[in-house]
Amino acid sequence: QVQLMQSGGEVKRPGASVRVSCKASGYSFTNYGITWVRQAPGEGFEWMGWISPYTTNTNYAQSVQGRLTLTTDRSTTTAYLELRSLRSDDTATYFCARESPQDGATHWGQGTLVTVSS
Amino acid sequence: DIQMTQSPSSLSASVGDRVTITCRASLVINNYLAWFQQKPGKAPKSLIYAASNLHSGVPSKFSGSGSGTDFTLTISNLQPEDSATYYCQQYNSYPLTFGGGTTVEI
Repeated sequence: QVQLMQSGGEVKRPGASVRVSCKASGYSFTNYGITWVRQAPGEGFEWMGWISPYTTNTNYAQSVQGRLTLTTDRSTTTAYLELRSLRSDDTATYFCARESPQDGATHWGQGTLVTVSS
Repeated sequence: DIQMTQSPSSLSASVGDRVTITCRASLVINNYLAWFQQKPGKAPKSLIYAASNLHSGVPSKFSGSGSGTDFTLTISNLQPEDSATYYCQQYNSYPLTFGGGTTVEI
């Protein structure tokens, strides 16, 4: 079955960087995009970006442009999110999801809590 | 950016009731509209894609309808396990955007 397994929670200082991984299994990794969204505590969802594991094309939200890099490793079927220059308002749970143009997000990772605090 | 407006923000209903949640897009989104269910502390679960299509394994008590800019999610025969927050999302164009959520209390 389709599974997306994310890395564990992180605590970071302001100004640091964080890398979150999303290991995909149960489907052909290059046939679907990976989208990343985040959810601040008690809040709704904010889309952060999308990457195609097949082409490595990306699309980023303007709010994190310049601080966010999405990558994939086809050999390990893993997607990565790197967010730099962390601020307190980056504190959130970060989710990856498998996505297709027709169906949208179909399967989700379990989420990774990133806490930014001095 | 396309704004997604969901209503109501919360509702309370009884077991066996049918409830409807609405979602309005600020622009036409060509039916690229999804609905998600999220329970506290959990990842979202995809319910509906392309406005009215149920994802595999989603019970038929959930249904979606609408077109253009106005969409609805209907949940029939409410059960305690349906207590959750429901979100709409447009995936017609980047940046993808979400409604503010509707918390359903049974």
